[in-house]
Amino acid sequence: ETGVTQSPTHLIKTRGQQVTLRCSSQSGHNTVSWYQQALGQGPQFIFQYYREEENGRGNFPPRFSGLQFPNYSSELNVNALELDDSALYLCASSSADGELFFGEGSRLTVL
Amino acid sequence: GDSVTQMEGPVTLSEEAFLTINCTYTATGYPSLFWYVQYPGEGLQLLLKATKADDKGSNKGFEATYRKETTSFHLEKGSVQVSDSAVYFCALRQGAQKLVFGQGTRLTINP
Repeated sequence: ETGVTQSPTHLIKTRGQQVTLRCSSQSGHNTVSWYQQALGQGPQFIFQYYREEENGRGNFPPRFSGLQFPNYSSELNVNALELDDSALYLCASSSADGELFFGEGSRLTVL
Repeated sequence: GDSVTQMEGPVTLSEEAFLTINCTYTATGYPSLFWYVQYPGEGLQLLLKATKADDKGSNKGFEATYRKETTSFHLEKGSVQVSDSAVYFCALRQGAQKLVFGQGTRLTINP
């Protein structure tokens, strides 16, 4: 059974650019959620997808968007990057109301 | 809204010392409570959980008891090891909704 995998592990962008982060969920999981962890802070919920539909969103602007695919993998897209978007982005997969399993994250640096 | 407050860190102890990391929460309803651990350069791993009042979660020598009367879920370990050095996050979850995390406590164990 493979765990949650995220890509890329590290990336550097400049202000105004766009970024796409990817997540492969654990086998058998149909729910994916994304969290932003700024340096020295706890993770903050961005949104959650269940069977390809967004079913929960945190306090993030619309330039943060996502997709979930039929195989339950997911993407997080961030447009018009700002310096404050620099963070570790964590993906977690689960069954509908089960335990969350986290990937190792994608560390984004915005210059 | 729901929130989690952890004791301020960082915490530095000697090997074999007793550990307590305080966690209190504010929530409507009856959330499940969690402790996650994050080792350097890695994602989050579930350490232990409790789903109802007076439940005790335990794993790898760590324990925490769900105290509804004091809205607390303090993490304890009787004898810490160097390998326990990490960042520890207390979190709550209402049903299948998002995890709400505390700000994290960095623990360093010296030999």
